[in-house]
Amino acid sequence: KNEVEQSPQNLTAQEGEFITINCSYSVGISALHWLQQHPGGGIVSLFMLSSGKKKHGRLIATINIQEKHSSLHITASHPRDSAVYICAGISGAGSYQLTFGKGTKLSVIP
Amino acid sequence: EPEVTQTPSHQVTQMGQEVILRCVPISNHLYFYWYRQILGQKVEFLVSFYNNEISEKSEIFDDQFSVERPDGSNFTLKIRSTKLEDSAMYFCASNRGQITDTQYFGPGTRLTVL
Repeated sequence: KNEVEQSPQNLTAQEGEFITINCSYSVGISALHWLQQHPGGGIVSLFMLSSGKKKHGRLIATINIQEKHSSLHITASHPRDSAVYICAGISGAGSYQLTFGKGTKLSVIP
Repeated sequence: EPEVTQTPSHQVTQMGQEVILRCVPISNHLYFYWYRQILGQKVEFLVSFYNNEISEKSEIFDDQFSVERPDGSNFTLKIRSTKLEDSAMYFCASNRGQITDTQYFGPGTRLTVL
């Protein structure tokens, strides 16, 4: 059974702080999405990673395939970054459905 | 930018009633998905659909659930006889079907079963 574990569950940061959210995943997962879910419920994909590192603005995502671990970093955090960040694993065969982690609720305080 | 749309945004129904949740995936996408999120819990995969048939389904997707692509644009999730525990946010998603592709999510339908 594919599994995805995230930490921490909740994270409060001061504006400007560097933030790291961690994700570990099981053997059957071959790639990862990092997603953002806002209080209204909508889900937006931030990154898809199968190897290495990706950067978009202040967001950086890395993945270590050997250790089955991924991190999402936010540099110079801002209150508008407050959201739930979710790591979701992609199964290698079939329709590539996502197995979701429980999410990390980030609150950035001005 | 193309987007996945879902209707209705909120559906309230009585236990035992049938509901149909509707989604319009992005037009050139080939794979369609339904996920659900019970309040306070993680998002769970229900079913994927490709080439007019179910590709994968989870153990949640039992006989009371069905999916259909009745025309070239809509993708529907039917719950035949709703239970209280079906109350959740239901998300539709689509992508082009490559493992490297982003999944695009609709805004969700909040289903409340009374």
